[in-house]
Amino acid sequence: EPEVTQTPSHQVTQMGQEVILRCVPISNHLYFYWYRQILGQKVEFLVSFYNNEISEKSEIFDDQFSVERPDGSNFTLKIRSTKLEDSAMYFCASSLLAGANTGELFFGEGSRLTVL
Amino acid sequence: KNEVEQSPQNLTAQEGEFITINCSYSVGISALHWLQQHPGGGIVSLFMLSSGKKKHGRLIATINIQEKHSSLHITASHPRDSAVYICAVSDNTDKLIFGTGTRLQVFP
Repeated sequence: EPEVTQTPSHQVTQMGQEVILRCVPISNHLYFYWYRQILGQKVEFLVSFYNNEISEKSEIFDDQFSVERPDGSNFTLKIRSTKLEDSAMYFCASSLLAGANTGELFFGEGSRLTVL
Repeated sequence: KNEVEQSPQNLTAQEGEFITINCSYSVGISALHWLQQHPGGGIVSLFMLSSGKKKHGRLIATINIQEKHSSLHITASHPRDSAVYICAVSDNTDKLIFGTGTRLQVFP
């Protein structure tokens, strides 16, 4: 069964460092997302991406965050200068149809980011 | 006020029991999703529904659009059903708005 894969599964970094989280969505999917979950809290939307551009982003997704699809298969989330409060589990998701409205979402296993 | 509320927050059951988890939402939605989060953190989509009822194996999800309420039922619960069950809604945008989840533990 096709799946969304994420790397790394866990990353520990020092505050102020750049981090790149990588995702390989399901190959024929068109819509891509990043969500995050701070420990003990609910999952929060960060950004959606379609047709090589951001289609929607949340208030959390400030100038420190960026996404790109560099090679047609990978979908990356970059945090330019990490802060302690960026420590969270980051989930990549993809869907075939038009966004969360009509498309079943397939999630990766998550990348746990710990900022020290 | 949270846009998506779930109850109960925690639920303990004996194997074989019928389980119900409730979700209420305050925004207009185009679809509601039920998701399962494993102890390791991974999230799996169980159902996406915009009206009526869906069934998959021992899982049943219902939604009442007028009352802004959905329920997830598990029949003949099993210890392997132990997980966090999350209700999430899409409000005609690309994003999902998540509830805080219901932690279910089923004991043998």
